[in-house]
Amino acid sequence: AQKITQTQPGMFVQEKEAVTLDCTYDTSDQSYGLFWYKQPSSGEMIFLIYQGSYDEQNATEGRYSLNFQKARKSANLVISASQLGDSAMYFCAMRRPGTYKYIFGTGTRLKVLA
Amino acid sequence: EAGVVQSPRYKIIEKKQPVAFWCNPISGHNTLYWYLQNLGQGPELLIRYENEEAVDDSQLPKDRFSAERLKGVDSTLKIQPAELGDSAVYLCASSPKLAGGSRFYNEQFFGPGTRLTVL
Repeated sequence: AQKITQTQPGMFVQEKEAVTLDCTYDTSDQSYGLFWYKQPSSGEMIFLIYQGSYDEQNATEGRYSLNFQKARKSANLVISASQLGDSAMYFCAMRRPGTYKYIFGTGTRLKVLA
Repeated sequence: EAGVVQSPRYKIIEKKQPVAFWCNPISGHNTLYWYLQNLGQGPELLIRYENEEAVDDSQLPKDRFSAERLKGVDSTLKIQPAELGDSAVYLCASSPKLAGGSRFYNEQFFGPGTRLTVL
């Protein structure tokens, strides 16, 4: 069975600093995708970044990067130069290729301090 | 481009009452999803539509929950009767048709959700 574990219920970071949000996963599949979503207080889930299991390079999208360590089954999200608007819940998720169903973690609430 | 629209944003009802949620997906997206998000949890898929057909409703509690997407566009999720444990956020999402074979993923676009409180 697939499982996503996010062990940090809450994190604080100073504005302009970098922060790492942890995500570990468990799957017996060889091919899978890893995703990070942001959920601000307004409620919608906003897609941030995607990493495929066969991708050799770590994914990057602007200030977001994914530290993918396949052997350790971890897919940590790194946010550089944190902004006040980054305060939100962050969810790590996994999907099998060609499927629609996400397996989400329990999320990490990030608070950026001025 | 307009995003996924949901209404109402908040709903408070007493237990045993019926309740309905409405979703308007992004134009042109033929796949529509309803998710349940309990407090402190990630979303869980309830049902997925391809056009007007419910192709995955395995997680939908069919004794009290129902959904429809009559013309393959808007969708309604209903609970009758509501129970205390149904208090949660109900998220709707849409996506274009998954293409390109098994190697690919498509992005799901989420609405703001409806927060249901059952008293």
